[in-house]
Amino acid sequence: EDQVTQSPEALRLQEGESSSLNCSYTVSGLRGLFWYRQDPGKGPEFLFTLYSAGEEKEKERLKATLTKKESFLHITAPKPEDSATYLCAVQGLYNFNKFYFGSGTKLNVKP
Amino acid sequence: DTGVSQDPRHKITKRGQNVTFRCDPISEHNRLYWYRQTLGQGPEFLTYFQNEAQLEKSRLLSDRFSAERPKGSFSTLEIQRTEQGDSAMYLCASSLGRGGLYYEQYFGPGTRLTVT
Repeated sequence: EDQVTQSPEALRLQEGESSSLNCSYTVSGLRGLFWYRQDPGKGPEFLFTLYSAGEEKEKERLKATLTKKESFLHITAPKPEDSATYLCAVQGLYNFNKFYFGSGTKLNVKP
Repeated sequence: DTGVSQDPRHKITKRGQNVTFRCDPISEHNRLYWYRQTLGQGPEFLTYFQNEAQLEKSRLLSDRFSAERPKGSFSTLEIQRTEQGDSAMYLCASSLGRGGLYYEQYFGPGTRLTVT
């Protein structure tokens, strides 16, 4: 079955301290990899879709990259408002009605 | 434009009672998904509709769970004879799909279910 593993489970950063979150996946052919941000008590908010190895997407302080086995979400000079849980999900090429989510990385950015 | 909406936002029920949740997707989206999320975990897929047809169901969806999407618009998720293990956030998402292309899902705010 398709699987997604995210690391670390939790990450504490000082404001301005850049870092990366990891999403490793196992899927029988990748149709798409998705990054979401989730604030406490709310539904996930869509950030990026990546479709093929080598692809990169950027939005403000966030940049997502994709290889054949994993994706990274790079956070440059984070601010306290970037604190949230970041979720990764994959959609397989052959079982494309389902999306498999990782458990997320809980990011806490201290001022 | 409004996003995906869900009602109610919170539901407290006693074990053994039935509950029903509603989801209104983004109007032009033909695909609708239900997920369950427990604390510290990512969303787990429950079921998927394309228009009014329910095309996929997870084995997590026991006989006590049923979902409908009449006329391909809003959807309802019903849980019969609730158990304490059903306590979770129930999330609805919708997306657009055209000609074999699949687009990102947009999530609603969720319904928090507490079974006492």
